[in-house]
Amino acid sequence: AQSVTQLGSHVSVSEGALVLLRCNYSSSVPPYLFWYVQYPNQGLQLLLKYTSAATLVKGINGFEAEFKKSETSFHLTKPSAHMSDAAEYFCAVTPNDYKLSFGAGTTVTVRA
Amino acid sequence: GAGVSQSPRYKVAKRGQDVALRCDPISGHVSLFWYQQALGQGPEFLTYFQNEAQLDKSGLPSDRFFAERPEGSVSTLKIQRTQQEDSAVYLCASRAWASNNYGYTFGSGTRLTVV
Repeated sequence: AQSVTQLGSHVSVSEGALVLLRCNYSSSVPPYLFWYVQYPNQGLQLLLKYTSAATLVKGINGFEAEFKKSETSFHLTKPSAHMSDAAEYFCAVTPNDYKLSFGAGTTVTVRA
Repeated sequence: GAGVSQSPRYKVAKRGQDVALRCDPISGHVSLFWYQQALGQGPEFLTYFQNEAQLDKSGLPSDRFFAERPEGSVSTLKIQRTQQEDSAVYLCASRAWASNNYGYTFGSGTRLTVV
C-alpha cells in the first residue's frame, strides 16, 4: 500500500527563516502527491499538488515542493517564514484516484 | 454553498449512545469522502461516495459505522453504540469530479468526544 512518512513531528523556525518540511513516499508507480495545511479547529486546506506535470510545484502562500523520484521525496519549502505559517502540515499520497493516505503531520511554530 | 459544511461542530456522547454527523458538500460536487482524525494523527480514510453510490467503505472501523448519501448530496455518518475509541474529529470532503485533477475541499469537521 502506498504511504507517506513525514520526518519530524515538530519544526520551530524563526520569522523570516527557511521552512523545510520533509515527506517521503512509498510507491511503485508515480503517485499524486499533496501538501495540506490545517489551522486550529479548521479543516484541511490544499497548499499544492503534484500530478506529474512538473517536478517543481508552486502552491499558495509562497510554498513550493519538489518531486524527486530518485529519492521518493516531496519536501515542502518556503523561503521566509511568517507568523501566519504556524499550523499543522500534512503530506498525502493517493494510492488510487480518490483515497488520500496522510502522513502523521508536522506542527510548525514560528518564533518572533 | 460556498464550502463544505459539517454539523454539529462539537458532539459529546455518552458511551453506548448513537450519533449522526451531517455533511453538506459543495453544491454539484460528485464525490464525497469521510475521514477520521484522531488526536495528533493524520486523517484516515473512512468511505467514499460518487453521487449516491458508496464505492468504497473499506475504512469504516466496524459495523457500528454506517454512512449514506441517499440523494447524492447531503451525507450522514452514523455511529451506533459509541465507544471511547470513536473520539476523534470526523472530516468530510467533496470534489467536483472523480478525477484527482480536481482538488478536495474539506469541511471544518465534527469533533466527537465519547465520555
